[in-house]
Amino acid sequence: GQQLNQSPQSMFIQEGEDVSMNCTSSSIFNTWLWYKQDPGEGPVLLIALYKAGELTSNGRLTAQFGITRKDSFLNISASIPSDVGIYFCAGQLKGGSQGNLIFGKGTKLSVKP
Amino acid sequence: AAGVIQSPRHLIKEKRETATLKCYPIPRHDTVYWYQQGPGQDPQFLISFYEKMQSDKGSIPDRFSAQQFSDYHSELNMSSLELGDSALYFCASSKNHGGMNTEAFFGQGTRLTVV
Repeated sequence: GQQLNQSPQSMFIQEGEDVSMNCTSSSIFNTWLWYKQDPGEGPVLLIALYKAGELTSNGRLTAQFGITRKDSFLNISASIPSDVGIYFCAGQLKGGSQGNLIFGKGTKLSVKP
Repeated sequence: AAGVIQSPRHLIKEKRETATLKCYPIPRHDTVYWYQQGPGQDPQFLISFYEKMQSDKGSIPDRFSAQQFSDYHSELNMSSLELGDSALYFCASSKNHGGMNTEAFFGQGTRLTVV
């Protein structure tokens, strides 16, 4: 079935560092969404992307919809402790049914000890 | 702003029992999705509804069924519960614009524990 490959699986951050994660697929997507999930809570939408090449920012977060429509990345600049959590990419396939979102496996952000 | 409301937040059931999870979408959203998330896993799509009709089906077991009502709320019915059904169940909603859905917003989830 369709799969999103999200990387890295986990990363450790030090306050002030920039963070980057991405999702790739062999399929073409109409929409890319980035969510953050805290333990036991529902995913919270961070950024939505609808056009190939689109670059969108939300505060310290920047995400881009790849030109091939098969990938997307999320950057977090100047990370702070509350950035810790699990980040998911999600995509709606081109030609897919009404909005069924396919999720990546997540990137877990932790603070460097 | 109103968000997606799920109830109950927590549910404990015994094996072979039934459970009903409820989801109230954001006002004026016409599409509802159900996801199951096991511990340490990504959310897995179960089923979705658009304008009260099933629009897509994912990895939903035959023991589960769902529907969307006239007021757009949705219920996920789970029967013959198994230990492996223990998970977080999320509902999300979105608005369909000309065949394309806007971003989906998630509820806080129902944590189901089967004992």
